[in-house]
Amino acid sequence: GQNIDQPTEMTATEGAIVQINCTYQTSGFNGLFWYQQHAGEAPTFLSYNVLDGLEEKGRFSSFLSRSKGYSYLLLKELQMKDSASYLCAVRVMGGSYIPTFGRGTSLIVHP
Amino acid sequence: DVKVTQSSRYLVKRTGEKVFLECVQDMDHENMFWYRQDPGLGLRLIYFSYDVKMKEKGDIPEGYSVSREKKERFSLILESASTNQTSMYLCASSFEQGADEKLFFGSGTQLSVL
Repeated sequence: GQNIDQPTEMTATEGAIVQINCTYQTSGFNGLFWYQQHAGEAPTFLSYNVLDGLEEKGRFSSFLSRSKGYSYLLLKELQMKDSASYLCAVRVMGGSYIPTFGRGTSLIVHP
Repeated sequence: DVKVTQSSRYLVKRTGEKVFLECVQDMDHENMFWYRQDPGLGLRLIYFSYDVKMKEKGDIPEGYSVSREKKERFSLILESASTNQTSMYLCASSFEQGADEKLFFGSGTQLSVL
């Protein structure tokens, strides 16, 4: 199975930068996803990394190091609406393409 | 716009009742999934299906069954509901193969079993 670890909760100030880390231990790694979930809503896709390096999408960036089993999600110019849970999910090679989710990080952005 | 629709937003049932949770997607996706989400435990996979009439157990299938008679519809069945099945249930779908195969989620059904 996979062991995926992320902090339970983080707080940050509006306008700041925050980095949410995700570490994983798995065999046959085949991609890492980040999802955002606002309270009471469905998770929505943010990013996908399968190769080492940084992927940038506007205010959000995601980084992956396969050798270290490590990823982070970087949120810049934080806005109040970024308060949400951020879910890290890892996919492994095999017959099915099912990602396994970490427990999620609840981010609170305050003024 | 992509859509995954779950039939009920909130549901209250009694212990021992048979419960059906319905999910419909309009994207012609091959894969469909049922997760439950509990505080502190994250998303856990109950069952998934990669084709009509096909189903595979996820990490926590005990006490649940599923049905996929049509490509767009995936039903989760609680044969005899128990209080420990009180949870948020999320349905999701995805294409069979793709570079990222991201999941598209429904809004969830909050089930309370009394």
